[in-house]
Amino acid sequence: AQSVAQPEDQVNVAEGNPLTVKCTYSVSGNPYLFWYVQYPNRGLQFLLKYITGDNLVKGSYGFEAEFNKSQTSFHLKKPSALVSDSALYFCAVRDDNQGGKLIFGQGTELSVKP
Amino acid sequence: KAGVTQTPRYLIKTRGQQVTLSCSPISGHRSVSWYQQTPGQGLQFLFEYFSETQRNKGNFPGRFSGRQFSNSRSEMNVSTLELGDSALYLCASSLVQQGLDEKLFFGSGTQLSVL
Repeated sequence: AQSVAQPEDQVNVAEGNPLTVKCTYSVSGNPYLFWYVQYPNRGLQFLLKYITGDNLVKGSYGFEAEFNKSQTSFHLKKPSALVSDSALYFCAVRDDNQGGKLIFGQGTELSVKP
Repeated sequence: KAGVTQTPRYLIKTRGQQVTLSCSPISGHRSVSWYQQTPGQGLQFLFEYFSETQRNKGNFPGRFSGRQFSNSRSEMNVSTLELGDSALYLCASSLVQQGLDEKLFFGSGTQLSVL
């Protein structure tokens, strides 16, 4: 079965510093990978996706993600963190063996301090 | 364009009761998916409806059911509530079924507490 893992429950970063939120995947076939963000008391919002092509994917709010096939990773990055980036981040993979549904990771809580 | 609307926002029920949650997708969206979010389990897929038909189902007991109406609005029902059903239930809509349209649009969820 397709799956993603987010090894860190929480990531703490100082404002202005670069941030990385980690995600590894396990798929049979081509991976279709996504990042979503959840702000407090809100639903999830789409950030970016990797289907094929360039390994560096650019998304909303200045975020980008790097697809690495050899390391089966899809880490989310941002060069300079903002306090407003503090939220819960979810990595997801599309499971084409089960109707294309999105399988989400456990989530990583990002905290950006001033 | 209005987003995905879920009602009610909060629900408190007792064990053994049943509950119905409602989701109105973005206008024009024909697919509605339901997810259960808990701190320990993250997001777990419940089911997806497309054009009034359930096209996919997760690993939840039969107490969890749903339906979709001709206007694409969807309801989710949980019968014989258990304490472990306490969670945030999220609805997501998309233009077509998952796997074809890559972006899901989520509502703010219904927070269900079972006492």
